[in-house]
Amino acid sequence: DPKIIQKPKYLVAVTGSEKILICEQYLGHNAMYWYRQSAKKPLEFMFSYSYQKLMDNQTASSRFQPQSSKKNHLDLQITALKPDDSATYFCASSQEEDWGDTQYFGPGTRLLVL
Amino acid sequence: SQWGEENLQALSIQEGEDVTMNCSYKTYTTVVQWYRQKSGKGPALIILIRSNEREKRSGRLRATLDTSSQSSSLSITGTLATDTAVYFCATENNYAQGLTFGLGTRVSVFP
Repeated sequence: DPKIIQKPKYLVAVTGSEKILICEQYLGHNAMYWYRQSAKKPLEFMFSYSYQKLMDNQTASSRFQPQSSKKNHLDLQITALKPDDSATYFCASSQEEDWGDTQYFGPGTRLLVL
Repeated sequence: SQWGEENLQALSIQEGEDVTMNCSYKTYTTVVQWYRQKSGKGPALIILIRSNEREKRSGRLRATLDTSSQSSSLSITGTLATDTAVYFCATENNYAQGLTFGLGTRVSVFP
């Protein structure tokens, strides 16, 4: 059974629209993260949450807004989509938000903005 | 950036061969983590080495860490076709709790 679920697996959007990427983890972890992976770029850390509170935000744009409605949920809302937002977005979780804690990654949502 | 200038490296080898990949980092870290990402999947941690360790082994994997040169290596012995993946090293991000990843090494193992 998958322990981290991301929905949808693939997403096509038009420029200027808004989308929500869903992430649920069933590992009982207290920390959750979002990463982005674009072509020819390293996997890039975006946000971290611990006990449903935002701990770190490394994205420069306010168009990216994480939302945590439950302890094991961390969705990512992206508004005013641009073609440059095309990437695979990975959700991850760890037991606590500590250095060295293993982060477990979901399968990703591949977003294409036309 | 956390990393030195590098491009995604690609290595093609035959099953049974050994492979070693390297990465270097610019800023202090207490942990280097190596992740493997298979096609269409998320990254998965395969081995972690702490700054007080020079070498760590796990099955066919061997990681080394040289804090003086700020570099780490990952070796896989007796590769299998199932080892085909992109391998990333990752370190602590000094400004946030997320990981900082390098560009990775694409390893293709042919039967």
